[in-house]
Amino acid sequence: RKEVEQDPGPFNVPEGATVAFNCTYSNSASQSFFWYRQDCRKEPKLLMSVYSSGNEDGRFTAQLNRASQYISLLIRDSKLSDSATYLCAVFGNEKLTFGTGTRLTIIP
Amino acid sequence: NAGVTQTPKFRILKIGQSMTLQCTQDMNHNYMYWYRQDPGMGLKLIYYSVGAGITDKGEVPNGYNVSRSTTEDFPLRLELAAPSQTSVYFCASRANTEAFFGQGTRLTVV
Repeated sequence: RKEVEQDPGPFNVPEGATVAFNCTYSNSASQSFFWYRQDCRKEPKLLMSVYSSGNEDGRFTAQLNRASQYISLLIRDSKLSDSATYLCAVFGNEKLTFGTGTRLTIIP
Repeated sequence: NAGVTQTPKFRILKIGQSMTLQCTQDMNHNYMYWYRQDPGMGLKLIYYSVGAGITDKGEVPNGYNVSRSTTEDFPLRLELAAPSQTSVYFCASRANTEAFFGQGTRLTVV
């Protein structure tokens, strides 16, 4: 089983829609969780950290479920500029491990 | 405020040649990582380091070597380049939370 699993998509959604991504991880001792955004041919950049209590940043909401070992990202009122690849990342045992990424395209 | 700097940005190698991908960070981070990203795929961990003098293998270390003689530098060495090593290579450094990435090195082995 992969350490971090993520639906590769692609997700093609109309502008204004709500889209959700999920990611599961195998190491129950994992310590920190993140969502990164990667634009085409660019380096990944941190979108937001994920906390057990859930956290929100504008249109973006991230949640962590330690019991089920998954993290999620919700994007509300999607914009054309949200088109990108979204990668989940998990830190544990000194390593930062990424999922395969989910390609999101927002359609006008 | 340089952050993580990778050089070169692009390189074409012939099969069997060797090269070193350079990575430098100026944030005094202990953790540093090397990843490769194949087209349409996620990031695969090659090697990582938790501090100067300490390195460990990641998921795909074969064909690569690293060293960490200082906190700032974490070079990645390819000894005998193979076409399977054609990829985009990202270096990252991390303190307690966010990992910062370099802009990547696009390597083609022909």
